[in-house]
Amino acid sequence: RKEVEQDPGPFNVPEGATVAFNCTYSNSASQSFFWYRQDCRKEPKLLMSVYSSGNEDGRFTAQLNRASQYISLLIRDSKLSDSATYLCVVKNTGGFKTIFGAGTRLFVKA
Amino acid sequence: NAGVMQNPRHLVRRRGQEARLRCSPMKGHSHVYWYRQLPEEGLKFMVYLQKENIIDESGMPKERFSAEFPKEGPSILRIQQVVRGDSAAYFCASSPRLGGGSGTTDTQYFGPGTRLTVL
Repeated sequence: RKEVEQDPGPFNVPEGATVAFNCTYSNSASQSFFWYRQDCRKEPKLLMSVYSSGNEDGRFTAQLNRASQYISLLIRDSKLSDSATYLCVVKNTGGFKTIFGAGTRLFVKA
Repeated sequence: NAGVMQNPRHLVRRRGQEARLRCSPMKGHSHVYWYRQLPEEGLKFMVYLQKENIIDESGMPKERFSAEFPKEGPSILRIQQVVRGDSAAYFCASSPRLGGGSGTTDTQYFGPGTRLTVL
């Protein structure tokens, strides 16, 4: 089993749609969680950190469920510019190794 | 405030040659990570360094690969005797603090990557 698993996608949605991505992690000692986005052939860029209480940044909402070892990202009112690959990222307690999921590809169409 | 810089952006090597990839962290950052991304795959952690120290190299292949972060100058990822399977994008990231903690203060900021092609 992979340490971090994501919906494989691709997700094809129209502009204005709401889309949700899921991510599960296998190490219950994991401590820090992030969502990054990566555009084609570019570097990953931090989208948001994920907190136990859940957090929102504009059209983006991230949730963490430690009991189920599950992270989610919700994008509301999708824009064409949201088209990218979304990476779930986990860092384990006491360690430095950062584990990236394989990513979920999103295509937003006009 | 310049971001993370990597050079070269593209590197072509023949099998058996050496590849040297350089990474200059953001100003004020003293911790560097290296990752490899194969085509259509996710990023794989390779090594985490601070100035003059390798903190975690659990993701580094045992042979041909080495990394350093000297007191002065950029971090270097060195691949000796390259093979075709080494062709990938190599990303460097820096963070402002020791990466063993939690929260956003160890957030990693990525450079544009070096695309290595081995002929």
